[in-house]
Amino acid sequence: DTAVSQTPKYLVTQMGNDKSIKCEQNLGHDTMYWYKQDSKKFLKIMFSYNNKELIINETVPNRFSPKSPDKAHLNLHINSLELGDSAVYFCASSQANIQYFGAGTRLSVL
Amino acid sequence: GENVEQHPSTLSVQEGDSAVIKCTYSDSASNYFPWYKQELGKRPQLIIDIRSNVGEKKDQRIAVTLNKTAKHFSLHITETQPEDSAVYFCAAERGAGSYQLTFGKGTKLSVIP
Repeated sequence: DTAVSQTPKYLVTQMGNDKSIKCEQNLGHDTMYWYKQDSKKFLKIMFSYNNKELIINETVPNRFSPKSPDKAHLNLHINSLELGDSAVYFCASSQANIQYFGAGTRLSVL
Repeated sequence: GENVEQHPSTLSVQEGDSAVIKCTYSDSASNYFPWYKQELGKRPQLIIDIRSNVGEKKDQRIAVTLNKTAKHFSLHITETQPEDSAVYFCAAERGAGSYQLTFGKGTKLSVIP
């Protein structure tokens, strides 16, 4: 009965590969987010979707493409992975202000 | 856009002492200021929040104060315990009613037994 679930939990891959991270929330929230947390623990917003519509796209390389098939899902696809993409990626959802985070996906690019 | 500054970046206190973390924000239209706690290897979780119509809010050993005029807010933890050791993030709403948050860079709190 996890509120915000993301898979996989760990992802180890080679530079240049393409990978996807999936996120699902069962809270009935309208808004979902992707955050990137680097090794210094900075928590930076990447994308925000409201009812399947993109409302925030920070200065993220276009190798990153979010997809929201419905308001309960927000997936992140990353093309041509680079070493600097190594980080923990958190999905979150909210209704009004309070954000609920998933457990994170630790991406390691070798 | 909103800019949130958080200090200090690291903080060590003896068990039982108090800890204070301070944040400033830039957008005077922001009305909502949450604090998140992230334990090692875990997800960030909301521990307390405050809205602009309130100057102070308390929940057991944690309290948050807000000074809208000066655009700063603070987290106070009293009688610290080892389980309070974590990274704490302040955040501010990106404009009134946006539901989007800008996070500070985090404070790593270590409580020494």
